[in-house]
Amino acid sequence: DAKTTQPPSMDCAEGRAANLPCNHSTISGNEYVYWYRQIHSQGPQYIIHGLKNNETNEMASLIITEDRKSSTLILPHATLRDTAVYYCIVRADQAGTALIFGKGTTLSVSS
Amino acid sequence: NAGVMQNPRHLVRRRGQEARLRCSPMKGHSHVYWYRQLPEEGLKFMVYLQKENIIDESGMPKERFSAEFPKEGPSILRIQQVVRGDSAAYFCASSPYDSRRSPLHFGNGTRLTVT
Repeated sequence: DAKTTQPPSMDCAEGRAANLPCNHSTISGNEYVYWYRQIHSQGPQYIIHGLKNNETNEMASLIITEDRKSSTLILPHATLRDTAVYYCIVRADQAGTALIFGKGTTLSVSS
Repeated sequence: NAGVMQNPRHLVRRRGQEARLRCSPMKGHSHVYWYRQLPEEGLKFMVYLQKENIIDESGMPKERFSAEFPKEGPSILRIQQVVRGDSAAYFCASSPYDSRRSPLHFGNGTRLTVT
């Protein structure tokens, strides 16, 4: 699986948009971009995933660059409960491949 | 629709005892993955199982650890002769039969403390 690079930490004011970047310059054509987060002491929570088109759901938006070498997770109106470690993961389109977690970005949302 | 259920939530064992961690996947999910998270560290993949088969155990320690996912019942992660270094949070995740483009859904983990 391709590796990802994320900033170790970011801060965001409550109510503002949080934009979390991820570089995956070695991504291959059959690899999806997944985003998970882990709130302290809980299990990882799925947020969103995409292949090449931008995606949006009730939690977030995922913007993938045209060359697919980077992506941005957008939380449109961050709240204190969004404070967590956010993981960007690329995963091959093969049956049963596991997710390999990196160090992620610690997002701190403050009032 | 219940999520991934793990039990117990907390488990305390003395050195040398056995630990058995259980994971019931979401309804309709036949793929199970186990991860370990040591204190202040990231999540490490351990093993991937389908019903009655181990598909990928590349992250499992070579000794004392085993996993199974029988035809009936939960998946079990078994740690024999536990040592203090086994103290960690163990997370289970599941995905549907065709897991290629499906996200993994995680339970809230079992926190193992070895005294």
